Amino acid sequence: AQSVTQPDIHITVSEGASLELRCNYSYGATPYLFWYVQSPGQGLQLLLKYFSGDTLVQGIKGFEAEFKRSQSSFNLRKPSVHWSDAAEYFCAVASSNSGYALNFGKGTSLLVTP
Amino acid sequence: DSGVTQTPKHLITATGQRVTLRCSPRSGDLSVYWYQQSLDQGLQFLIQYYNGEERAKGNILERFSAQQFPDLHSELNLSSLELGDSALYFCASSVGTALEAFFGQGTRLTVV
Repeated sequence: AQSVTQPDIHITVSEGASLELRCNYSYGATPYLFWYVQSPGQGLQLLLKYFSGDTLVQGIKGFEAEFKRSQSSFNLRKPSVHWSDAAEYFCAVASSNSGYALNFGKGTSLLVTP
Repeated sequence: DSGVTQTPKHLITATGQRVTLRCSPRSGDLSVYWYQQSLDQGLQFLIQYYNGEERAKGNILERFSAQQFPDLHSELNLSSLELGDSALYFCASSVGTALEAFFGQGTRLTVV
């Protein structure tokens, strides 16, 4: 069965420290990969996406993610976290099999401490 | 602002009732997706429409239905509501069946 796993439910990072949020997927073919962010009471905003090509993708707000086929992973990174980055982060996967509908992980809640 | 408009923002209704949630996609987007976000189930895909036709179905209950109108706006109808239907319902739109979807702010449904 197709699945998306975000192993970390909560992560706490000090402001200015680096961040890595993990995402693993299980799909039959190479899926299309996304990271979305949701601030409290808000909708979901696309941070970045991977369709093909360069496996290191750059997104908005200083985020990047690396697609590793051998590990079925698409981890999100940021070199220096700001307090405004505190939010819920969702990894999502899409495939042509489901009309490109997004299959989301359970999310990782990021807390940023001073 | 994503350009996707959902109304109403909040809805409180009683069990057994029926409600309609509305979504206006971004200008030019033909594809509309509906998602449900709840604490226990997380974000789940419900249904997709493309240019008025149903394109894909996810974990949508038989009590729920949707449609997309000629002007491309979409409505999600939820009937015989149960307490467990309380959730945040998101609409997203994209160009064709392209993959970059833009989400609305959601409709928070509370069933009492």
